[in-house]
Amino acid sequence: NAGVTQTPKFQVLKTGQSMTLQCAQDMNHNSMYWYRQDPGMGLRLIYYSASEGTTDKGEVPNGYNVSRLNKREFSLRLESAAPSQTSVYFCASSEAGVGLDGYTFGSGTRLTVV
Amino acid sequence: QKEVEQDPGPLSVPEGAIVSLNCTYSNSAFQYFMWYRQYSRKGPELLMYTYSSGNKEDGRFTAQVDKSSKYISLFIRDSQPSDSATYLCIAGGGNKLTFGTGTQLKVEL
Repeated sequence: NAGVTQTPKFQVLKTGQSMTLQCAQDMNHNSMYWYRQDPGMGLRLIYYSASEGTTDKGEVPNGYNVSRLNKREFSLRLESAAPSQTSVYFCASSEAGVGLDGYTFGSGTRLTVV
Repeated sequence: QKEVEQDPGPLSVPEGAIVSLNCTYSNSAFQYFMWYRQYSRKGPELLMYTYSSGNKEDGRFTAQVDKSSKYISLFIRDSQPSDSATYLCIAGGGNKLTFGTGTQLKVEL
C-alpha cells in the first residue's frame, strides 16, 4: 500500500548545489504534481503533469525543472539551490486531473538550503 | 488578500467537544471544495469534498458550504485526541486548486 513515495525524506544543500527530488506512485494515476509548503503560505503548486508526456508550470515554477519520466515517476530538479527554496516539498497524484477526485500526497521532502 | 483565508489557530479543545473549523474564499469561480487533514511531518490526506452548497456528512465529520457568503466549514463531533492535526481547506475551479494555510487543532484529554 505504498501510494506516493518520495525520496529523500530530508536533505541539506549548500547554496548553488543541485539535486533531484524523486516521486513515484503505484496507483496508475494519470496526473502528478509538485507542491511546496511554507509556514503561513499554504501549499503552492510548482509544476504539474496532467498526463504522461506533458508538464506545465504552476504558481511558483522559477528555479525548478521537472521530468515526467513515465506514468509512475515525476521528478523535481533544483539546478542551483537558493536559501529561498528551503521548504517542505510534496508530490501528489490524482486519477483524473485537477481536483476531480482529490489528491494522494506523499509524506514530503524536507529541504534546507544553507 | 489570499483567495482562501483560514484562521491558523492553534485551536485547543477538550476531548468530546464539537469542533468548528472555518474558511472564507473570495473567488466566485470556485466550484468545488475539499478538506484535508495533515498530521505532523506527514502529507495531507483527503477528508471530504463537495461540489455544492449545503451539508455533507461522513461519520463524525460534516462539511458545510455556503456559496452565497463564500464560507466553508468543517464540523467534528465527539472530537478525539487522534483528531489533533492541521486541517486544510481547499477551493477549486477549472484547472486550479487553491489551498488555505491550515488550522492547527489540538484535542486534549
